[in-house]
Order: sequence, then structure tokens, then C-alpha cells
Amino acid sequence: GQQVMQIPQYQHVQEGEDFTTYCNSSTTLSNIQWYKQRPGGHPVFLIQLVKSGEVKKQKRLTFQFGEAKKNSSLHITATQTTDVGTYFCAGGTGFQKLVFGTGTRLLVSP
Amino acid sequence: DTEVTQTPKHLVMGMTNKKSLKCEQHMGHRAMYWYKQKAKKPPELMFVYSYEKLSINESVPSRFSPECPNSSLLNLHLHALQPEDSALYLCASSQIHGQRYEQYFGPGTRLTVT
Repeated sequence: GQQVMQIPQYQHVQEGEDFTTYCNSSTTLSNIQWYKQRPGGHPVFLIQLVKSGEVKKQKRLTFQFGEAKKNSSLHITATQTTDVGTYFCAGGTGFQKLVFGTGTRLLVSP
Repeated sequence: DTEVTQTPKHLVMGMTNKKSLKCEQHMGHRAMYWYKQKAKKPPELMFVYSYEKLSINESVPSRFSPECPNSSLLNLHLHALQPEDSALYLCASSQIHGQRYEQYFGPGTRLTVT
């Protein structure tokens, strides 16, 4: 079946450092979505990318969708303690179905 | 109102019990989802309802029985569960607009099967 892998599994940074998580799908995707889940919380939608090579920014967060529509990345500039959580990419395959990536857990120390 | 509500927050049940999880949204979304999430794992899709009809069943065991009474409500009926079914059960909803179906999740029901 389809697999969506993320690396790294876990990253611990000092506040102010940058952070990047990478997402790779075994199949071509119709779209990629990113979610953040705080400890003890539920996934919260961040953004959706649809076009090949698309780049979107939300304040300190930059999202990219690969040219082949099989990979994506999320980059956070100058992390803050409020960025703590697990970041999931989720690959859309059509018909409202999402396959969540394995997730990257981010810990930020002040 | 961008909230998805789920009840109960926590549920402990024995393997012979029958219980139900409930989910409600008032965003006018016509797709609703059930996910199962184990600790430190991603959410796994179980069921998708589109326009109140079951459109996706990810080969979920029959001891889980979904129901969509109307466009705002989604239930998950549980019967004869196993301890390995203990997990966080998340409900989500979304619009149905081509490729744009960002999902809004509820807080989840934390289920423990004893």
C-alpha cells in the first residue's frame, strides 16, 4: 500500500534555530497537506499544496511541494517554544482520502 | 463555528461491552471521517462518509460499526473490542471541493479496552 515517510523522526533544537522536516511518498500525490499536533492535542490543519513545485509561506513557516509531486518539506525559521509538537504531512490521493506521514516530533528548548 | 466536537472524552470498556462514540460538526461539511491513532503514531484512516454515504472503509474489523444519521453527526459503534483497540479515536470533517479537502479534527475520544 501507499507509504508516506518523514525524516527526521525527532529533532531537538534551541530556540532561534531553524528546523526542517522532509516528507516522501511512495506514489504520486494529488496534493499534500501539513498538520501540527501539540502534545495531548489533535491534528490542526496548517496548509495544503496542490501544484507541482509550489511554495507557500506562513510567517516563519515555508512549505514546498516537489516537482514530481512525491515529496514535500516544511521549514521553520527561528523556532520558538510555541512550535513544539509533531508535524505530519498527509498525502492526498483523491476521493477525500489522506495518508498521514510518520511524523516529526519537534522539541524546542528556551 | 470551526469546531468539531466529540463525546465522550475518555471511555473505558470491557471486551463484552457495547458503546458508541459521537462526533458533531456545524460547518456544513459533507465529508466526515474516523481515524484511529496509537501513541507516537500517525492517525490511520478508518472510514469516510461523503454526503452521508459510506465511501471508504479501510478494511476495518466489523466490531467497529460507523453510522452517519445526518450531515452533522457521525457515530462509531463499538462491540466486542480487543485490548489492542485501545487508542485515541479522532473524528474529522471537510468540504468536498475537488482536491481541496483540508480536514478539521475533533479533540478525540481516548478509549481503553480492559
